[in-house]
Amino acid sequence: SQQGEEDPQALSIQEGENATMNCSYKTSINNLQWYRQNSGRGLVHLILIRSNEREKHSGRLRVTLDTSKKSSSLLITASRAADTASYFCATDAGRANFGNEKLTFGTGTRLTIIP
Amino acid sequence: EAQVTQNPRYLITVTGKKLTVTCSQNMNHEYMSWYRQDPGLGLRQIYYSMNVEVTDKGDVPEGYKVSRKEKRNFPLILESPSPNQTSLYFCASRSWVGRETQYFGPGTRLLVL
Repeated sequence: SQQGEEDPQALSIQEGENATMNCSYKTSINNLQWYRQNSGRGLVHLILIRSNEREKHSGRLRVTLDTSKKSSSLLITASRAADTASYFCATDAGRANFGNEKLTFGTGTRLTIIP
Repeated sequence: EAQVTQNPRYLITVTGKKLTVTCSQNMNHEYMSWYRQDPGLGLRQIYYSMNVEVTDKGDVPEGYKVSRKEKRNFPLILESPSPNQTSLYFCASRSWVGRETQYFGPGTRLLVL
């Protein structure tokens, strides 16, 4: 079953604007991660936020986590054409997976930056 | 350069013809995993391995086999491929130390006719 659900499924914005994507999940987590995927390519890890953290920054990325609502958001500020990609949240339930510690991915948000 | 490699990158085959997709990582990671990605379904885990000779099923293991004879390699085997295994496949690895981030290969696009 899919743990994370991203919203919106697709987003188009003008270059320079900010892009916000949301992720909801269902069970307790150890951490939540965001990945980027350029068309047909592998996933690249962007940022990780642990369950005891509420906000994290990395360059133009800002991630928030609300464990009470089981939700997270990814904000990309001052977007660029190169940010065009699909973005996935992935939850890590840690030992709850009986040692698998697998990532459970959502279906992704397709972000298009219009030059 | 630290990386996960997969081969082949693209493969067209016919139903029933056995194939193997190789995966290799050069980061000495203990944990390796295979995912498949399908439109509208995101990434789903097929099999994983926590170390050499230790493998287990993920969420969608039917029709697949794996082996982990060496730490760096984790091949995915389709004994008798069927059209519903047409998909984009990703191998991933991570370490127990700083183990939270998974590193993904570039993907293998498989078409089964």
